Amino acid sequence: NAGVTQTPKFQVLKTGQSMTLQCAQDMNHNSMYWYRQDPGMGLRLIYYSASEGTTDKGEVPNGYNVSRLNKREFSLRLESAAPSQTSVYFCASSTRPDREGQPQHFGDGTRLSIL
Amino acid sequence: AQSVAQPEDQVNVAEGNPLTVKCTYSVSGNPYLFWYVQYPNRGLQFLLKYITGDNLVKGSYGFEAEFNKSQTSFHLKKPSALVSDSALYFCAVRSNAGNNRKLIWGLGTSLAVNP
Repeated sequence: NAGVTQTPKFQVLKTGQSMTLQCAQDMNHNSMYWYRQDPGMGLRLIYYSASEGTTDKGEVPNGYNVSRLNKREFSLRLESAAPSQTSVYFCASSTRPDREGQPQHFGDGTRLSIL
Repeated sequence: AQSVAQPEDQVNVAEGNPLTVKCTYSVSGNPYLFWYVQYPNRGLQFLLKYITGDNLVKGSYGFEAEFNKSQTSFHLKKPSALVSDSALYFCAVRSNAGNNRKLIWGLGTSLAVNP
C-alpha cells in the first residue's frame, strides 16, 4: 500500500520554465491538498480538492494551477516558475472533507529549486 | 480568526526523560486538534487527534496529548523520550463550526532527544 505518491522527488528549474508536480493516492480518499513548506513559515495550503471534480484556492494560490484528474490524482502546475516558488511541496489526502475531523495523509514531498 | 501557536521553536530533552511539546489555539466553536510528526526528508505523519470525549488522547509511538479547554491548549507528551523521537512536530486545529474546511498549522517545534 503506497499511500500518497509524489513525483518527482527533486527538480531544478530555471526562472520562467513550467512544470507539473504529480500526486496520486491509492486509499480511495475523497479530498486532496497541495501545501508548500518553507523554513520558519510552516505549512501553507496552496489549493485543495474536497472531492473529485472540485478545486478551491488555499492560502497562497498565486502562480499555481491545479487539476483533479480523477479521484486518485491531483496535479500542481507552475506555469512560469519564479525563485520565490523554491520550496518543498507536499501533497496530502483525507477520506472526508476537513470538517469531519479526518487526518490527512502526506506524501514525501517534491523538493523544487528555481534558479 | 483561527490560529495555532507553538511557543517553542526547539525542545531539548535527555533520553529517558519525559517530554512536552506545547500547543495553544484559538478557534470559534469547538476545536478539532491534531499532532503530526515529520522526520527528515519525509512527509508529515499523523500522530493523534482530539475531536470530542476524553481529554487525554493516546496516539502512535507512545505519544499522548491533553486537551485543556479552559487554557485552549493541546500539549503533546511522552513519559520517556527516545533518541528516535527527534523530529519536527506540528500542531494543527480547525473549528467544527461553519464552512471553513482548512486546517490551521502551527510553525512546528523541533524536538532533539539527546543520548
